[in-house]
Amino acid sequence: GQQVMQIPQYQHVQEGEDFTTYCNSSTTLSNIQWYKQRPGGHPVFLIQLVKSGEVKKQKRLTFQFGEAKKNSSLHITATQTTDVGTYFCAGSNSSGSARQLTFGSGTQLTVLP
Amino acid sequence: EAGVAQSPRYKIIEKRQSVAFWCNPISGHATLYWYQQILGQGPKLLIQFQNNGVVDDSQLPKDRFSAERLKGVDSTLKIQPAKLEDSAVYLCASSQRLAFQETQYFGPGTRLLVL
Repeated sequence: GQQVMQIPQYQHVQEGEDFTTYCNSSTTLSNIQWYKQRPGGHPVFLIQLVKSGEVKKQKRLTFQFGEAKKNSSLHITATQTTDVGTYFCAGSNSSGSARQLTFGSGTQLTVLP
Repeated sequence: EAGVAQSPRYKIIEKRQSVAFWCNPISGHATLYWYQQILGQGPKLLIQFQNNGVVDDSQLPKDRFSAERLKGVDSTLKIQPAKLEDSAVYLCASSQRLAFQETQYFGPGTRLLVL
């Protein structure tokens, strides 16, 4: 079955430093989504990437989808304490009628003030 | 707009007991998902409904887990009997396809501890 790997598992940064998490799928994806889960909370949708090589920005967050549509990255510029949480990528291959998302294991970000 | 509602928020049971979780999706969302999230891992899809029909239940341990979505709205997930390894957060999500995007909205989850 489809597998989605995410690295690193944990990342501690000083406030103001940059942060990047990487996502790699074992199969070609039709789209990839990114979610953020605050400690004790539930996943919240951030963005969806669909096109090969697509880059999207949300303020300090930059999302990329690889040319082969098998990998993706999330980069946060100048982290803030509000960025704390676990970031998950979730890939979909939309096979058949099931639009199933396979989540990565997440990257837990800690921002030290 | 009201979000996805789940109850109970917390549940502690002993192994071999039964437990049931309830989910009320966002109004109008045809697709409903149940996920299991073990501490330190990403959510794992257990079952996906489209209206009141099952679309995917390939990862549902059917010997002990069951789910239903009567009338295509609310859903319940049951575990009978529970095992220690079932301790996790059970997340319900719903979605509605708009254009080329289908965003999943998650509920707060039910935290299950099996002793």
